[in-house]
Parts: sequence; C-alpha cells; structure tokens
Amino acid sequence: QKEVEQDPGPLSVPEGAIVSLNCTYSNSAFQYFMWYRQYSRKGPELLMYTYSSGNKEDGRFTAQVDKSSKYISLFIRDSQPSDSATYLCALEKTSYDKVIFGPGTSLSVIP
Amino acid sequence: EAQVTQNPRYLITVTGKKLTVTCSQNMNHEYMSWYRQDPGLGLRQIYYSMNVEVTDKGDVPEGYKVSRKEKRNFPLILESPSPNQTSLYFCASSSGPVRDEKLFFGSGTQLSVL
Repeated sequence: QKEVEQDPGPLSVPEGAIVSLNCTYSNSAFQYFMWYRQYSRKGPELLMYTYSSGNKEDGRFTAQVDKSSKYISLFIRDSQPSDSATYLCALEKTSYDKVIFGPGTSLSVIP
Repeated sequence: EAQVTQNPRYLITVTGKKLTVTCSQNMNHEYMSWYRQDPGLGLRQIYYSMNVEVTDKGDVPEGYKVSRKEKRNFPLILESPSPNQTSLYFCASSSGPVRDEKLFFGSGTQLSVL
C-alpha cells in the first residue's frame, strides 16, 4: 500500500463550481499536511499548510484534515480557470523529516 | 527576485554519458533537495542537504550523486545515466524545517536518456 494516495483525475469542472480534492494516507505518524499547486511545466508551489485536525481557510481555499480517518481534503470555492493545475498533497511526520508527496490530481476548470 | 534556478530545462542524452544538472538559489537557504517526478508516482526525493558539506540520501538515491560545496549551489550528477532515469527533475530549497517554511521549487529539468 502506498503511503499517500490521490485520485489522479483528470477532474473537469465548470467555472464557479466547488471542487473537492482528497488524499488518504496509511501512517498515523504523519503530523503535518500541505497542499501544493503545480501548473504545467512549472515547479510546485505551496498553497496551504496545516498541522491539526479541522479546517483551515485561506480565501477561496479550505484545507480539511481528519486524522482519525487518515483523510485530508482541499476545497476550492468559486473555481476559476486559473485554478487549472495539478494539486499535490504533501505530508511530514516530524520536524526535519522528509516530505512525502501524493501523486497529484489534475484539475481543469472550464470557462 | 527570490528563485531557484535549474539548468538545463530540457536534456536528451544517451546511456552512460555523464551529466550534471545545476541548481542555484538566491535566498540564502540552508536546506536544498532534489526530486524526480514520474506519472502516478508523484515527487520522490533523491538527495537532500541540510547545509554546506552535509548531504543525505532520500528515497531513490541509486544512480545519483550530489555535492554541496557552497550554500547556494546543489548540483545533481548522473555518472552513468540509464533509461530508467528518464524523468522530470526538480530542485527545491527552504530556509528551515519544511513544515514551517515552504519549499521553493525550480522550474524543472526534463531528462530523456536514450
């Protein structure tokens, strides 16, 4: 079983839709959770970071962590064509530990 | 402008021909790392460095070498490339523990080994 799993997509939604992106993980030792966005032919960039169960909001983006279910989500409200990218979840166990990336979900927002 | 610069962006080579991918950051970051990205497998760490002259293996170090002689540079060396090293490579840097300080990624190097 892979440590981190994501549905690869592609996911295609109309502009303005609410998007839900998800990751599951197998090791309860993961404590820190991040979402990276990667545009085509570019390196990933950090979108959000959280270390606790619950929700964290930043503009149109909400990160949700459920440690008991080993499940993390990223919600995008009022999706825009500029949100079209691959979204990678990333997890870390402790400080200075390596980050484990999920394989990414490809999202297309259609105008 | 704060950035991580990788060169070259695209590289086609043949099996066994030594190559180096350069990586430089202008943010005075202590932490630097190399990843490869393959479809369905995500980003996998090759090597990382916590500071000058300090390097350590990541998940997939076989067939790769790195060096950290200066803080800003972290080259990736393939002594004898093989076709299974065909991949998209990213260099990244950070000023501290990754969970507190975001990783800055370069634009990537697409390597094809024939």
